[in-house]
Amino acid sequence: ETGVTQSPTHLIKTRGQQVTLRCSSQSGHNTVSWYQQALGQGPQFIFQYYREEENGRGNFPPRFSGLQFPNYSSELNVNALELDDSALYLCASSPEPAGLGETQYFGPGTRLLVL
Amino acid sequence: DQQVKQNSPSLSVQEGRISILNCDYTNSMFDYFLWYKKYPAEGPTFLISISSIKDKNEDGRFTVFLNKSAKHLSLHIVPSQPGDSAVYFCAASARGSSNTGKLIFGQGTTLQVKP
Repeated sequence: ETGVTQSPTHLIKTRGQQVTLRCSSQSGHNTVSWYQQALGQGPQFIFQYYREEENGRGNFPPRFSGLQFPNYSSELNVNALELDDSALYLCASSPEPAGLGETQYFGPGTRLLVL
Repeated sequence: DQQVKQNSPSLSVQEGRISILNCDYTNSMFDYFLWYKKYPAEGPTFLISISSIKDKNEDGRFTVFLNKSAKHLSLHIVPSQPGDSAVYFCAASARGSSNTGKLIFGQGTTLQVKP
């Protein structure tokens, strides 16, 4: 059983640009969640996708959007990047939505720096 | 509004002794709690969880205690080993359609186990 993988590991963008981050969930996991972790803070929930539909969203603006594909891969897209978007972005997968008591398994993250 | 709080940013213990990491929460709707461990340049790794219907869960050297009346949980590591040195996050989730998939994390506690 393979774990959760993310790409790229590091990324540098400039303010106003757009970025796409990618995640590959564990096989058989129908749910993927994305989190933003700022330096010195715990991860903050961005949104979750279950069976290719958004299934919950945190306090993030619409310029944060996502996609989930049938092959257990997913994307986080951020438009009009701001300096405060600099953070570690984590994806996590689980068989079912975590609100039903399922444990989420995290990937290593993508570190995004916005200049 | 920090719904999950880890008030100790760091903890240092001697190898072989007990490590106790604490976490407080404010939302009485939380019904599932998890502890994650995070090494630098890696994603959070699931350690142990507890449902609100229990007050204790044990897995090897790790035990989580839940005190619902005090809205407090703790993670005990006995005996502590140098390899346990990492950042520890507690997280909580609640059932309900608006909360599905949303893990709320504390700020983390950095544990250092000295040989």
